[in-house]
Amino acid sequence: QSALTQPPSASGSPGQSITISCTGTSSDIGGYDFVSWYQQHPGKAPKLIIYEVTKRPSGVPDRFSASRSGNTASLTVSGLQSEDEADYYCTSCAGGNNLVSGGGTKLTVL
Amino acid sequence: QLQLQESGPGLVNPSETLSLTCSVSGDSLSNGYHWNWIRQPPGKGLEWIGSFSSGGDFWNTPKNPSLQSRVTISADTSKNQFSLKLSSVTAADSAVYFCARSPGWWYFDFWGRGTLVTVSS
Repeated sequence: QSALTQPPSASGSPGQSITISCTGTSSDIGGYDFVSWYQQHPGKAPKLIIYEVTKRPSGVPDRFSASRSGNTASLTVSGLQSEDEADYYCTSCAGGNNLVSGGGTKLTVL
Repeated sequence: QLQLQESGPGLVNPSETLSLTCSVSGDSLSNGYHWNWIRQPPGKGLEWIGSFSSGGDFWNTPKNPSLQSRVTISADTSKNQFSLKLSSVTAADSAVYFCARSPGWWYFDFWGRGTLVTVSS
């Protein structure tokens, strides 16, 4: 069982927006500005799409955005495209040398 | 272009030591960044194992507290490689093992392709 809770699945039609939640505690998501999101296609390495809660690395489309409210972080994908179909994982620093992860959300583009 | 490549046995016997190497091209291990080992059991989330960083003569190898008694991380900066040893493995250590770079705190911007390690006799 993962320390961070994500919905196992999410879906949306092309052009729509979807939001994936990631719920932790005040000891991880709520306590540190080190929440990241990764996109992972089958058989591939994770790709960083969000770091430090809301920052987007260069080259990541601005269709990807993120936020945090209390102990829950959220990833929003706007204008869904077929290539967005993938697994999405959240991670958070949990103090000391601890990094916790969610179990992943499978995004299906209908 | 930065590239990372994991190498090592894909099958390890229970109770033995898992050994992997990450070869880095396009960047230097001595640049002060953190170079990490991360694993992912099939169908599950990411687990940070530990990292290596170097600033001149100073080496730092922080580790996941839940694994640190079994983990050794080392580096050969002349070859631009860093390595992972995980001792006393069990089936629970079966996973895809990735090496990855951290330019900042707790995020990983470049990853290797990963290598599947199965612990089984």
